[in-house]
Amino acid sequence: GESVGLHLPTLSVQEGDNSIINCAYSNSASDYFIWYKQESGKGPQFIIDIRSNMDKRQGQRVTVLLNKTVKHLSLQIAATQPGDSAVYFCAENMAPPGGYQKVTFGTGTKLQVIP
Amino acid sequence: GAVVSQHPSRVICKSGTSVKIECRSLDFQATTMFWYRQFPKKSLMLMATSNEGSKATYEQGVEKDKFLINHASLTLSTLTVTSAHPEDSSFYICSASRDEEQFFGPGTRLTVL
Repeated sequence: GESVGLHLPTLSVQEGDNSIINCAYSNSASDYFIWYKQESGKGPQFIIDIRSNMDKRQGQRVTVLLNKTVKHLSLQIAATQPGDSAVYFCAENMAPPGGYQKVTFGTGTKLQVIP
Repeated sequence: GAVVSQHPSRVICKSGTSVKIECRSLDFQATTMFWYRQFPKKSLMLMATSNEGSKATYEQGVEKDKFLINHASLTLSTLTVTSAHPEDSSFYICSASRDEEQFFGPGTRLTVL
């Protein structure tokens, strides 16, 4: 079946460096993607989203890039801080024909920030 | 932003008992809520979509008689794990939908002894 997945399960970065977390998706019909951050023992927290009619979207210290040609999504975190340590999920939000909207999560990447 | 709460945050129960988990949208009405299950170091897996006033839609492989969902109002959905067994131990997370956005609860840690 079609799914959303991540290339790297764990990423360690030095504090202050930039982080890049990657995600591959297989459903070419997907038109809305979200990045979530999940800290240990907590629910996912929305970070940033992007629609398929965009290639790039920026937030505060975060940028999401979408490459529809190769079905690839990335999250860039600038000047990574210890508080950024968490598991990051890319997710696909879609409403199948005649169905209800739902979010499908990728496998997740654990980001470890080294002080 | 929108706030979603879950109760309880942690529950420990004996095998064979039933456990009810509540999911509430505190400051908005949600016609649709979702229930996820998450195993340690794994991703969230959608269990079911809960719709106010109608039956829940379960994902393939999820037993509807095992995981009872009731969307009693526009701000409350409940998940009841019936006759719980140790393999039901997991982190259960709900979310509430407003427009296209989903807002997640803090999760409930269920441990079945």
